[in-house]
Amino acid sequence: DAGITQSPRYKITETGRQVTLMCHQTWSHSYMFWYRQDLGHGLRLIYYSAAADITDKGEVPDGYVVSRSKTENFPLTLESATRSQTSVYFCASSESFHSYNEQFFGPGTRLTVL
Amino acid sequence: AQTVTQSQPEMSVQEAETVTLSCTYDTSESDYYLFWYKQPPSRQMILVIRQEAYKQQNATENRFSVNFQKAAKSFSLKISDSQLGDAAMYFCAYRRRVNTNAGKSTFGDGTTLTVKP
Repeated sequence: DAGITQSPRYKITETGRQVTLMCHQTWSHSYMFWYRQDLGHGLRLIYYSAAADITDKGEVPDGYVVSRSKTENFPLTLESATRSQTSVYFCASSESFHSYNEQFFGPGTRLTVL
Repeated sequence: AQTVTQSQPEMSVQEAETVTLSCTYDTSESDYYLFWYKQPPSRQMILVIRQEAYKQQNATENRFSVNFQKAAKSFSLKISDSQLGDAAMYFCAYRRRVNTNAGKSTFGDGTTLTVKP
């Protein structure tokens, strides 16, 4: 399907385990982003990528790792999950670097760390 | 650092009436963008409207309009003729107009809007 997809949609894991959240977009957008949304709050930027093999930290990067070997994919890995990382994770993409451009969001992944 | 404040955690409106959601922000920059996003129960983030800070004219999109007061750093969203489908959480967001930081948006904590039939 065209657009931006995330998998899995729901994930339950245990403290200390490694978890990878997947994000895939079909528009060939240059920019991709990972946000987390904690209950009752807005989104906070974790990492973003301007192009394949170019990534940079956002507001809350600690405990997360990203990679971008292909333009269309932007996986987010929690190397050793903690309870504080229980959240809803949104991936987004944008056509160019212009700040005015709309960011298109995926449907989100609800992650619970027990 | 920029901050975005939405002082109304919850709002309600009668169907067909008008409601205004408040947003204030803090920045030392003069050029930036402001956005309102809608997040229905499906969790999908949907762009509602955007405003360029250097434009004095308030943005409008059908039943949605903004009241942008740059000096007061205020960016409120007005929804006219409210519909049941407008029920959602609404987020105000700020984004710098600097290309090297493209996409690094700052979001408010959201306002949950209930529409009563």
